[in-house]
Amino acid sequence: DTGVSQNPRHKITKRGQNVTFRCDPISEHNRLYWYRQTLGQGPEFLTYFQNEAQLEKSRLLSDRFSAERPKGSFSTLEIQRTEQGDSAMYLCASSFNHPSGGAYETQYFGPGTRLLVL
Amino acid sequence: QKEVEQNSGPLSVPEGAIASLNCTYSDRGSQSFFWYRQYSGKSPELIMSIYSNGDKEDGRFTAQLNKASQYVSLLIRDSQPSDSATYLCAVNSSKTSYDKVIFGPGTSLSVIP
Repeated sequence: DTGVSQNPRHKITKRGQNVTFRCDPISEHNRLYWYRQTLGQGPEFLTYFQNEAQLEKSRLLSDRFSAERPKGSFSTLEIQRTEQGDSAMYLCASSFNHPSGGAYETQYFGPGTRLLVL
Repeated sequence: QKEVEQNSGPLSVPEGAIASLNCTYSDRGSQSFFWYRQYSGKSPELIMSIYSNGDKEDGRFTAQLNKASQYVSLLIRDSQPSDSATYLCAVNSSKTSYDKVIFGPGTSLSVIP
């Protein structure tokens, strides 16, 4: 397994356009996370999945953002009607959540998708 | 109070010195603690995880955890210029139905040759 992969690596779009990013997690991992990171800040939680179920979505996330993980494998993050403030690095991470609880999971990150909204 | 706090830095140390990075967290129920290293323009990579009070050593890196003080630190011995990066502290959250990890803002470390 080559780790977490994300596509595209870079995306430039015009304000108002929709964009979609894809994340392929490590194959045996059941949890998948999406984060947004801007310069000088730590990764900001957006949402996460356990298998195909979306367990939590940040209240900071507007309705323009949606994520799916239809078969519990890869995930997509869509941003509709992009705004300049959406420009950031979008990071995906995956982990294995042990059935006994989530206290010991370690997240492994993909290379990220850098979005620039003009 | 922010959930995970770190000094933003930059922290500058001479090559060969010990770099000390600190992190405090607000959730007393947290059980898992992680240190990630992030080079400029790259994604975070895991350095160490720690779950019990005390020290955990891995090569030049030592993580220290004190749950009573809600404090976790990372020591880097014999610092090298290649250690220059941003170090992110991450802590699991027990406040939601499902655990998730909260990241601090990161501390920028510069190792001067």
